[in-house]
Amino acid sequence: ETGVTQSPTHLIKTRGQQVTLRCSSQSGHNTVSWYQQALGQGPQFIFQYYREEENGRGNFPPRFSGLQFPNYSSELNVNALELDDSALYLCASSLDPNGDQPQHFGDGTRLSIL
Amino acid sequence: DQQVKQNSPSLSVQEGRISILNCDYTNSMFDYFLWYKKYPAEGPTFLISISSIKDKNEDGRFTVFLNKSAKHLSLHIVPSQPGDSAVYFCAATYTGANSKLTFGKGITLSVRP
Repeated sequence: ETGVTQSPTHLIKTRGQQVTLRCSSQSGHNTVSWYQQALGQGPQFIFQYYREEENGRGNFPPRFSGLQFPNYSSELNVNALELDDSALYLCASSLDPNGDQPQHFGDGTRLSIL
Repeated sequence: DQQVKQNSPSLSVQEGRISILNCDYTNSMFDYFLWYKKYPAEGPTFLISISSIKDKNEDGRFTVFLNKSAKHLSLHIVPSQPGDSAVYFCAATYTGANSKLTFGKGITLSVRP
């Protein structure tokens, strides 16, 4: 069984640039959620994708956007990068969107904004 | 407003003894609770979960207790092993339209040999 994989593992960008992070869900999982983890904090929910549609969003501005593809993989796009966007970005997949199954996480992408 | 609180930032225990990690929540809508373990440079790993219809769930050395009236849950690790040293996150959600997890800030557990 293949787990959740994320790419790239590390990324350095400058303010104002745009970034795309990628995630492959665990096999058999149709729901993907994205989280941002700042230093010393727990992960914060950005949004969830189910059946290629956004299925819930946390308190993040519209410059955070995403996609889900027919094979359930997903992308997180962030436009107009700000210094505060420096964080670990985690992708998690689950069997369904209903909240009664555990989410399984990838190892994350460490994004640094200079 | 932190809906899931892990008030102790760290815990140190002797190998072989019990580790008790605590978590409190404020949102009474939460009905599914999870514990994750995180090593440096890795993503969180799912450990154990509990539904609000239960007050205890056990999996090997790990037991989670839920006290709904106190809005409190705890993770017990018995016996603790040095490999258990990691950051432990408590998370909560409510079943429904989506499964957004709300996390606490985490507790760093150190198990001394």
